[in-house]
Amino acid sequence: IQLTQSPSSLSASVGDRVTITCRASQDISSYLAWYQQKPGKAPKLLIYAASTLQSGVPSRFSGSGSGTDFTLTISSLQPEDFATYYCQQLNSYPRLTFGGGTKVEIK
Amino acid sequence: QVNLVESGGGVVQPGGSLRLSCAASGFTFTTYVIHWVRQTPGKGLEWVSFIRYDGTNKYYADSVKGRFTISRDSSKNTLYLQMSSLRVEDTAVYYCAKVMTTVTPVGFDLWGRGTLVTVSS
Repeated sequence: IQLTQSPSSLSASVGDRVTITCRASQDISSYLAWYQQKPGKAPKLLIYAASTLQSGVPSRFSGSGSGTDFTLTISSLQPEDFATYYCQQLNSYPRLTFGGGTKVEIK
Repeated sequence: QVNLVESGGGVVQPGGSLRLSCAASGFTFTTYVIHWVRQTPGKGLEWVSFIRYDGTNKYYADSVKGRFTISRDSSKNTLYLQMSSLRVEDTAVYYCAKVMTTVTPVGFDLWGRGTLVTVSS
């Protein structure tokens, strides 16, 4: 199962609403997770089951979608949100795949 | 405190071998599942390998199958990845990551800091 993220990068300002999409090559139901990764750090789980917020993650993050099309939305971008975001499918567990990543940069 | 710590990375020539370790603490090792994931420099994430909690089934990405072997020692709370016939394209940061499960596996909720493997002549 391949995951295609778009865009691969974006520039945004603090306070902007940001949307990242992830498209699966086949139906993966809601078996999708989103991660945030900052330089030199391991990824951090933000959302699982497509739309469930991981404990401790700010509510400005939200996820939606099912089947083949998914989105991660940051409702009001904060300085600490500049990072790279990855989607991951778990439909074919234990064989997992990640999207190519979306780098969110400061405009 | 729950923690995963990888070790064993380094520089190796093409065709060489390395063994990575992932030491777990703060949780019941035999209850949870841990995977190996790698990240090539400046690029994305790639799932590498998984072993069932009881060691009965092992899975590998096609890119490493036949060259890498995963194992676990529950008495030491440690997961291993034996890597042989290493190639330049195996150069990456290798992470171990713990699966979070609700009804089914839903993601990796705990990651180590990673260990860098560099394959170069």
